[in-house]
Order: sequence, then C-alpha cells, then structure tokens
Amino acid sequence: DAKTTQPTSMDCAEGRAANLPCNHSTISGNEYVYWYRQIHSQGPQYIIHGLKNNETNEMASLIITEDRKSSTLILPHATLRDTAVYYCIVRRALGATNKLIFGTGTLLAVQP
Amino acid sequence: DTAVSQTPKYLVTQMGNDKSIKCEQNLGHDTMYWYKQDSKKFLKIMFSYNNKELIINETVPNRFSPKSPDKAHLNLHINSLELGDSAVYFCASTGGGRGFDEQFFGPGTRLTVL
Repeated sequence: DAKTTQPTSMDCAEGRAANLPCNHSTISGNEYVYWYRQIHSQGPQYIIHGLKNNETNEMASLIITEDRKSSTLILPHATLRDTAVYYCIVRRALGATNKLIFGTGTLLAVQP
Repeated sequence: DTAVSQTPKYLVTQMGNDKSIKCEQNLGHDTMYWYKQDSKKFLKIMFSYNNKELIINETVPNRFSPKSPDKAHLNLHINSLELGDSAVYFCASTGGGRGFDEQFFGPGTRLTVL
C-alpha cells in the first residue's frame, strides 16, 4: 500500500472551512484515497473516499489532484466537534484482505 | 442501536493473567477486524476474519488468539498478559451491501496491565 504524508497538526476557526492536505505520490492506479477521523477516546470514523473524481457527502468533500499524487479533505463549516485526528489512507477498495494502514494523521484543532 | 459493540470498555489486570475481549456487530457484515492502538496512538491491524475464517494475521504474538463463533462476533483472547499489551483495542467490521468501502469501529477496550 502506498504511503501518505500529512501535516502533524492544524488549527481552524469555528465556522470556517478546514482544508486538510495529504500527499500520496506513490499511489497506484487501483488505489483509492480514504479519510477517517478519530475523535478523542473514540473509535475511528469513516469520512469519505475517492479514486480520481472529487467526492462530496454529508460530512465532507474530497478533492483529488489530476495526477492523484495529493488530495485535500474539506470540512466546509468546522465545528468544535470536528476536533480530531484525521487520517489519510490509500488502499485498494475491494477485498476482505485489504488492510487499513493508519499513519500518524493530522490533529485538527477547531478553535472557538 | 449500537453497530459495533465491545465488552468490557475498561480492563485492568495483573501481568500473567489471561483475559478476553468480546466484539459484536449487528450490521450484517462479513468481515471483522481487531486493531491495537498503543500509548503513542499508532493504530495497527492485528487480525481479520471473513465469514469466520482468519484472513489477516499480522505479526502478533501467539499469546493473542482471535475466535469467531459466527459472522457477528469476533473475540480476542490474550494469554499471559505482559506490560506491553497495555493499549486500546478496537474491533471493526465491514462488508455486506456496501462492499469493503467503509469500516465501522467499536468504541474500544482500554486494557491496562499492571
């Protein structure tokens, strides 16, 4: 599985958009970009995933560059409850043997 | 309704003891996992079962033995507990109608070995 690089931490003002970058320059053609987050003392939570097109759901938007070497997770209106560690993971989508390999993630601190 | 549940939430025990952690999912998923999150917050997969069959077994000491009595349950038994086993253990599941897009995680079991 390809590796990802994320900033260690970021701050964001409440109500503003939070843009979390991720580099995955060695991603393979059949690998997807997944985002999970872990709020303090809770289990990780799936946010969104994509292959090459931009994706949006009720939680966030995922922007993937055309060369697929990097992506940005966007939380459009960050709230205090969005304070968490955000993990960017690349992996093949299907198959029970596909593991989630978590890196160190980005600690997003949403400030009031 | 809780999707993935784990018991107990906290477990404090002495070195050398044997303990079990239980996990149940009511999502109808075919695949379940155990992850370990250590004190430095690194989250690593330990095991995965698909339809009660072991399919992923990372480099985990054989003191750890997962058991899946049915698709909805994946328990983790740990023999001869050591100080280094202290961690938070997360169960997760995936599969069913959504394929393997999303893993659902339980709330975690914090194990403290004294």
